[in-house]
Amino acid sequence: EVQLLESGGGLVQPGGSLRLSCVASGFYFRDSAMTWVRQTPGKGLDWVSLISSDGASTFYADSVKGRFTISRDDSKDTLYLHMNSLRAEDTAVYYCTRDIEVSYWGQGAPVTVSP
Amino acid sequence: DIQMTQSPSSLSASVGDRVTITCRASQGIRNDLGWYQQKPGKAPKRLIHAASILQSGVPSRFSGSGSGTEFTLTINSLQPEDFATYYCLQHNTYPLTFGQGTKLEIK
Repeated sequence: EVQLLESGGGLVQPGGSLRLSCVASGFYFRDSAMTWVRQTPGKGLDWVSLISSDGASTFYADSVKGRFTISRDDSKDTLYLHMNSLRAEDTAVYYCTRDIEVSYWGQGAPVTVSP
Repeated sequence: DIQMTQSPSSLSASVGDRVTITCRASQGIRNDLGWYQQKPGKAPKRLIHAASILQSGVPSRFSGSGSGTEFTLTINSLQPEDFATYYCLQHNTYPLTFGQGTKLEIK
């Protein structure tokens, strides 16, 4: 069974930083591209970032480019999202998802950016 | 960016009804589209991939069709557990983009 377990969410002040982690199990992590998707309170879904299976290629939404960094540690079956210069509009639930097709989702990590 | 226009934004229906949700892409995306169901407080769950392939374990009352720019999700014989919000997602071109969602409510 595919499982994705996010952690690291919380409350942070504007301009602050946070690192989300996602531990994967139930599939061969190093063979899979991985994606972060976020959902703002009461609203729809927004794709945030993707990293290729070999980690050589990364892609970002314009809204986070230059502030967020996606990375992976295949030895730990773990995906990361490093978030810097956080803004109020980054407040959302962040989901770790598997592959470019966004086939499986974690339970989500809430991030709140507020003074 | 490819815009995904999803309609309707909300829909009221009864148990046993058949409903159709549409997503239109602003440019051709072949069949690089998935459909997702989300219930309150839960993560989305994929129902359909490659526009028309049912995810394993998903009831056969769900079906998808389309290619290029027009896509539909059809739910036959609505069940109580189907009342939720539905989204489409194109993964043909970066940035990936979602439709705005369709909230399916009980009439």
